[in-house]
This record gives sequence, structure tokens and C-alpha cells, in this order.
Amino acid sequence: DTGVSQNPRHKITKRGQNVTFRCDPISEHNRLYWYRQTLGQGPEFLTYFQNEAQLEKSRLLSDRFSAERPKGSFSTLEIQRTEQGDSAMYLCASSLFRTPSGANVLTFGAGSRLTVL
Amino acid sequence: GNSVTQMEGPVTLSEEAFLTINCTYTATGYPSLFWYVQYPGEGLQLLLKATKADDKGSNKGFEATYRKETTSFHLEKGSVQVSDSAVYFCALSVNTGFQKLVFGTGTRLLVSP
Repeated sequence: DTGVSQNPRHKITKRGQNVTFRCDPISEHNRLYWYRQTLGQGPEFLTYFQNEAQLEKSRLLSDRFSAERPKGSFSTLEIQRTEQGDSAMYLCASSLFRTPSGANVLTFGAGSRLTVL
Repeated sequence: GNSVTQMEGPVTLSEEAFLTINCTYTATGYPSLFWYVQYPGEGLQLLLKATKADDKGSNKGFEATYRKETTSFHLEKGSVQVSDSAVYFCALSVNTGFQKLVFGTGTRLLVSP
């Protein structure tokens, strides 16, 4: 088990370009989450999947953002027409969800840092 | 709504000093509480957790007690090391069925030899 892997680790792009980030979760984990962390702030929830189904999206996720998890394994987060305000660290996490009760422990990846010039 | 408030940093200590990082929360329902740590260049790692009132989470010499009456989950360590230098995040999740984490803004700890 190599943990949660995210690629690329750092992406620099010009305003208006599209970018895509990939997340490979821990293999037996059925849930996958995307968070965004801006400088000096804590991570903020964006969206999550259970298997291939996207079950919730934050209002932070504008229509320029799209996330997929087509086979219930890896996930991609695409940002279209990037803006300078999109500059942030994009964090992926995964977990094995069994029941609604109890603490569902998330394992985070190291993140993908986006810089929009 | 649900929110977490942490003390602002950085917290600067000498090695072997006592550490307290304050965390208070506001939540609907009965949250689970967490402390995550982020070392430079690495992902967030779960440090400890508590799932109900009066529970004490502990790991690597760190402790935090879930205090419902004061809505607090303060992080403590009796003797810090240089290797504890990192950013510490307090977080909660409300058991709504998918357990979204709500984080505080983080507190940077700097420990000098």
C-alpha cells in the first residue's frame, strides 16, 4: 500500500488554460474526497465519491470544475478556464466507509499545487 | 453551521517545553473531533481523534480531550521535540452519513533546539 498518490505535484499555468489533476486512492478504499487549501487556511471540502458515484458537491465547486471517478478507482479533477483565484493546493483523500456511525478516517495525499499566472 | 476555531500561530517553543494548542468548535449534532498534522511537503496525517464527549485521543505523546461543556478539543504534549515542528489542524465531522471534515485554519508550531 503506497498511500494516496496525486499527480502532478505542482502545475503552473496561464489564466484561461485548462488543467487536470489525478488522484490514486488506497486500493481498498471506497470513498474518495477532494479538498482545496489556500495559503494560510485549512482545507475546504469540494466533493466526494462513493465508488464511482459523486454524492455531494460543495458550492465552492463552480461549473468550471468537474470531478470524475469513472471506474471507482482513480479520480480526476479538471478546472476549465483557470482564474488566478483558483491558485491553491488541491488535496485528495480516501477512506473505507462501512457504516454511518463512528469516525470515518481519511487518508490524505500530499496534494497538487496549482499556480495560475 | 459547523466551524472550528484554532489559536493563531506560530507557536514558538524550545525543545522539551509543554505544548498547548487551543481548539474550540461549533456544531449541530454530535461531532467527532480530530487533530491532523502537516509536515513540510507532506500530506495531512491523522494525529488523534475522539468520537464522543470525555473521550481522550492520544498518539506519539500528544493528547486531546473532547470537552462537550466547553466545546473544546485542545491539543497538548508534555515535552516537544524539534521533529514536532509542523502545522496542526483541528477538525470535526458530523455524522450525517458521509462525514465531511470541517477544518480550522491551522496552527504552525516551531520548536528550536
